[in-house]
Amino acid sequence: KQEVTQIPAALSVPEGENLVLNCSFTDSAIYNLQWFRQDPGKGLTSLLLIQSSQREQTSGRLNASLDKSSGRSTLYIAASQPGDSATYLCAVPHGSGNTGKLIFGQGTTLQVKP
Amino acid sequence: GAGVSQSPSNKVTEKGKDVELRCDPISGHTALYWYRQRLGQGLEFLIYFQGNSAPDKSGLPSDRFSAERTGESVSTLTIQRTQQEDSAVYLCASSTTSWADTQYFGPGTRLTVL
Repeated sequence: KQEVTQIPAALSVPEGENLVLNCSFTDSAIYNLQWFRQDPGKGLTSLLLIQSSQREQTSGRLNASLDKSSGRSTLYIAASQPGDSATYLCAVPHGSGNTGKLIFGQGTTLQVKP
Repeated sequence: GAGVSQSPSNKVTEKGKDVELRCDPISGHTALYWYRQRLGQGLEFLIYFQGNSAPDKSGLPSDRFSAERTGESVSTLTIQRTQQEDSAVYLCASSTTSWADTQYFGPGTRLTVL
């Protein structure tokens, strides 16, 4: 059974700091991995999708890496800003795929202080 | 372009009543998903529609829950005889063709069952 864990559950940093959010999964046979952002009271915004054949993806100040063999992904945020404050979720498709079911981690709630 | 929209944004109902939640996916997206997020908990997959294929209903928690989708357009999630434990934010997402693609989420419907 696939389980996704995110550490830490919460993080508070001063503005400008670089930071890393961690995501681990128990079954390494994943098809892809997605990182999402959720603002309070709102839906999810997709940040990055990494295919299983890729090792990393970059979008602006965000860089996500994937190490399937160790069951880990990290989301690196450079030069954090107060606007980055949100909950960050990682998710993988259930089983070998061919299903809409994403397994989500519990999320890391980030607060960036001005 | 327009994103995924959901209505109503908030719904308060009495225990035992039926409710209908609506989702309008991004135009042209053939895959549509419903998730539930209960307070303090992670996202739970409910159901997945992909084109004209039979939906994946493996996440529906009980037979009080059902969902329909007409072609590649609107979907409705119906909860019959609502219970207090049904209180949650119900999120809809759509993707281009299948589960392998990035999922784009709507803002959610917050359901409160009194």
